[in-house]
Amino acid sequence: SQQGEEDPQALSIQEGENATMNCSYKTSINNLQWYRQNSGRGLVHLILIRSNEREKHSGRLRVTLDTSKKSSSLLITASRAADTASYFCATDPPLFQGAQKLVFGQGTRLTINP
Amino acid sequence: DGGITQSPKYLFRKEGQNVTLSCEQNLNHDAMYWYRQDPGQGLRLIYYSQIVNDFQKGDIAEGYSVSREKKESFPLTVTSAQKNPTAFYLCASSRRPWAAQGAYQPQHFGDGTRLSIL
Repeated sequence: SQQGEEDPQALSIQEGENATMNCSYKTSINNLQWYRQNSGRGLVHLILIRSNEREKHSGRLRVTLDTSKKSSSLLITASRAADTASYFCATDPPLFQGAQKLVFGQGTRLTINP
Repeated sequence: DGGITQSPKYLFRKEGQNVTLSCEQNLNHDAMYWYRQDPGQGLRLIYYSQIVNDFQKGDIAEGYSVSREKKESFPLTVTSAQKNPTAFYLCASSRRPWAAQGAYQPQHFGDGTRLSIL
């Protein structure tokens, strides 16, 4: 089952502009993670935000979390051509028999035009 | 450098044939995962393993089998019972959540195997 839904499905902007992607989810979570996937490659972890956090920064990335609205956003500032990729949010239900079962959304395809 | 290695990068399956996808990690992670990704879609969990000699079904385990005889290795077999095997398969690993006071750990991914049917 897919819990996270990203919006928009595709986003195309000019290099240097900011890119904002949104993620909505359905049930309560402990944490929310964002991953990047370059074409034909595996996923790379970007940032994790816990349910008791509202905002987190990592370099040019800014993530917000609103648990009352069950939504998160990922902002990439001063975009570069190398940021072209698909971006996924992943939510977690409570630890399932001690394991971590992430539920991924369908992703946002981000294209940065030079 | 530590990481996860998946092989082969491309694989073709004939009808009625079982094929095995390899996943090896040298990150000393206890937990390993297999995901399936269809075009334009997110990842769906096939199987996961928290520790050697133990594994659990994920959301779409039918037609797949795994083993976990060594900490470093978590091979996935796509059996002939899987009628629609064409997809991109991703393996991942992580530290056990309880290894860090119950905090969830980032998953580290390999570069995937693309499986097609002939």
